[in-house]
Amino acid sequence: KNEVEQSPQNLTAQEGEFITINCSYSVGISALHWLQQHPGGGIVSLFMLSSGKKKHGRLIATINIQEKHSSLHITASHPRDSAVYICAVRLGGSNYKLTFGKGTLLTVNP
Amino acid sequence: DTGVSQNPRHKITKRGQNVTFRCDPISEHNRLYWYRQTLGQGPEFLTYFQNEAQLEKSRLLSDRFSAERPKGSFSTLEIQRTEQGDSAMYLCASSLVAAFQETQYFGPGTRLLVL
Repeated sequence: KNEVEQSPQNLTAQEGEFITINCSYSVGISALHWLQQHPGGGIVSLFMLSSGKKKHGRLIATINIQEKHSSLHITASHPRDSAVYICAVRLGGSNYKLTFGKGTLLTVNP
Repeated sequence: DTGVSQNPRHKITKRGQNVTFRCDPISEHNRLYWYRQTLGQGPEFLTYFQNEAQLEKSRLLSDRFSAERPKGSFSTLEIQRTEQGDSAMYLCASSLVAAFQETQYFGPGTRLLVL
């Protein structure tokens, strides 16, 4: 079983819909990252969370440490949001390496 | 553009050949990570450097793989005697670790195809 599980694996939405991507993890962590990967490989960091909630534009990320669960929400989705969204966790200690989920492929149709 | 560059962006090689990839991190960043990503999977950790010291290597990094960061700036990842299973995207990320806060900035990756 992967230490980081994402759902759904694939998600298709119509422009304007509210999107939720979920991430569950099985280990103790010091932080959780949400990343966006566009075709061609480039990865961009969206959020780093250790507790609570963060908002940036139309993106909202929440984390529940007790339940070992995080969600990424996209409000008023747009075709340019189409990408792979990856959840990654950072374990405790001095090594900041990330353990990644497999990603969620989001397609937003016009 | 995150400020992290990788070269080459694409590499096609024949099985058994050696390949070397380069990563240029953001200049003041003290940490540099290498990850490997196969199709349909999330990236997997390979190794990381704190300045010029290589502090951890994954069990994924067989004897055929070697990474260096000679002056604590750019890094190279070499794969000797490539195998078809080495075909993947190789991602580099850099960060500045300060007060337990860290954001990793990823390069565009080098896509390797071993024929």
